[in-house]
Amino acid sequence: GAGVSQSPRYKVAKRGQDVALRCDPISGHVSLFWYQQALGQGPEFLTYFQNEAQLDKSGLPSDRFFAERPEGSVSTLKIQRTQQEDSAVYLCASSAGFRNTIYFGEGSWLTVV
Amino acid sequence: SQKIEQNSEALNIQEGKTATLTCNYTNYSPAYLQWYRQDPGRGPVFLLLIRENEKEKRKERLKVTFDTTLKQSLFHITASQPADSATYLCALLDNAGNMLTFGGGTRLMVKP
Repeated sequence: GAGVSQSPRYKVAKRGQDVALRCDPISGHVSLFWYQQALGQGPEFLTYFQNEAQLDKSGLPSDRFFAERPEGSVSTLKIQRTQQEDSAVYLCASSAGFRNTIYFGEGSWLTVV
Repeated sequence: SQKIEQNSEALNIQEGKTATLTCNYTNYSPAYLQWYRQDPGRGPVFLLLIRENEKEKRKERLKVTFDTTLKQSLFHITASQPADSATYLCALLDNAGNMLTFGGGTRLMVKP
């Protein structure tokens, strides 16, 4: 596609509910990133894929967060047993390869009530 | 510790003037630095990338400088317009890493 596509754009979850956020990167982009952005702050790194391999997951805040990219294209970020502190914008980004320009999607806005 | 700092206070300028935003970093060895624009409710939009061996990059009314001695990048918007009002984020790729690390962003308000 023309850009990074994320769905859903908005999600309201009850505390304790599991959520899944989807990312379609730019076609052909091998690198994929997930970031979390709290209101009024810059994005914070969560995890990074090179094709289907998850090379860095050092930013995932807890074991309730899980990301996958099984076929090296679409990625899903899953949050289990959501907590209020998980409320944030989850941004997906992709690039053509190592040290290429990184392009972001519009984000998935998660509110946990 | 590693830090990327942008002025957290909003920058208010008059239309037609040049806006200058600052990004300072500590304890990084940058491969490159990127500037993004972010509007409320939207994702960051890529503007410019400048590599460690480049001093200056230009694109239309935008100019970025990169001083690895001062550990600072400056982002300029000349002939600013109200439509330039947004939050501007700098992000750095460290030579030792794979991902961008962001500053907190600076909000720019251009008044007519």
